[in-house]
Amino acid sequence: AQSVSQHNHHVILSEAASLELGCNYSYGGTVNLFWYVQYPGQHLQLLLKYFSGDPLVKGIKGFEAEFIKSKFSFNLRKPSVQWSDTAEYFCAAKTGANNLFFGTGTRLTVIP
Amino acid sequence: EPEVTQTPSHQVTQMGQEVILRCVPISNHLYFYWYRQILGQKVEFLVSFYNNEISEKSEIFDDQFSVERPDGSNFTLKIRSTKLEDSAMYFCASSETGQGGNEQFFGPGTRLTVL
Repeated sequence: AQSVSQHNHHVILSEAASLELGCNYSYGGTVNLFWYVQYPGQHLQLLLKYFSGDPLVKGIKGFEAEFIKSKFSFNLRKPSVQWSDTAEYFCAAKTGANNLFFGTGTRLTVIP
Repeated sequence: EPEVTQTPSHQVTQMGQEVILRCVPISNHLYFYWYRQILGQKVEFLVSFYNNEISEKSEIFDDQFSVERPDGSNFTLKIRSTKLEDSAMYFCASSETGQGGNEQFFGPGTRLTVL
């Protein structure tokens, strides 16, 4: 069965530190991958997605993610975090079906 | 910017009662979804809906649940005979198409508490 794993449950960083959040999926076929962010009190919002083509995907607010097929990974990165990046981050995958499979989420706290 | 809205934001109900959660998807979207998140757990897919019928549903979406598009704007999730374990955050989402990379836009969620 398809599944998505996020191994970091809570990450605490100082401003300007670099960020990498891990995401692994289990599915052998074609997969579309997404990172969603949920700021406190707000909706889930799409940060970026991988559909096909260049495995390095750039999203909003300076985030990027790299799809590494051989590692079944889609890690999220940002070179320098800001206090406003404090949020919960969800990795999700979509296979042939239309529904999204989510990871458990990673809470990011950025300390000013 | 268009957005998905959900009402109510918080619903408290007694075990055994029926609840209806309401969603207004983005107006030109054709695919609608319900997800839920039990506290501390993953966001889980419940059901997708297209062209006035269910297109996919998960194992969670059993006979206790039903969805409906009663008019041109609302999309509802009905939970019959609620149980304690139905307490969760319920998210509605919509997308323009069902194609692979198409973004699903999420509503703010309805927190359901079953007492």
